[in-house]
Amino acid sequence: QKEVEQDPGPLSVPEGAIVSLNCTYSNSAFQYFMWYRQYSRKGPELLMYTYSSGNKEDGRFTAQVDKSSKYISLFIRDSQPSDSATYLCAMSGRSAGGTSYGKLTFGQGTILTVHP
Amino acid sequence: DAGITQSPRHKVTETGTPVTLRCHQTENHRYMYWYRQDPGHGLRLIHYSYGVKDTDKGEVSDGYSVSRSKTEDFLLTLESATSSQTSVYFCATKGASGGALEQYFGPGTRLTVT
Repeated sequence: QKEVEQDPGPLSVPEGAIVSLNCTYSNSAFQYFMWYRQYSRKGPELLMYTYSSGNKEDGRFTAQVDKSSKYISLFIRDSQPSDSATYLCAMSGRSAGGTSYGKLTFGQGTILTVHP
Repeated sequence: DAGITQSPRHKVTETGTPVTLRCHQTENHRYMYWYRQDPGHGLRLIHYSYGVKDTDKGEVSDGYSVSRSKTEDFLLTLESATSSQTSVYFCATKGASGGALEQYFGPGTRLTVT
């Protein structure tokens, strides 16, 4: 079983829809939870991160972490064609300087297409 | 954009040949990482470095070696390439300042082993 599981989709939604992307994990040591966005043939870019449980909002994006269920989500409101990309969840047990050396464990990525 | 370049950007090679991929950064970041990305697997860590000459294995290190002789360069070597190493390879860097979490990724190298 993989440490981080993410539904690879693909997910296709109409413009303006609310998108929900999810990951589950098994390692209780994970404390930092991130979402990366990757456009076709590009490197991933950090979209949002949260520490421990709770919600974080940034514009049309909301990240949620439920450590008790080992479940994280990313919601995209009013989705736009420019949101079409692969979304990768990533997790880490320690920050820089900790014994994990900032290593990330990624989910498989969900391919999202928002059509006009 | 973080100053991370990878070379070559595309390479086709034959089974059994050695291959070296280069990652160069201008950010003076302490940590550097090599990942491979394959359909259905997301990004998997191959090797990482936490300083000059300090490296360690990641999740999928078999068949790969790395070297870091200076802060800005991190080399990934496939000693004898196999078809299972056909993949897209990404380099990433991260600073060491307190609370730094974000890894910055390069543009990737698409490697095909025939």
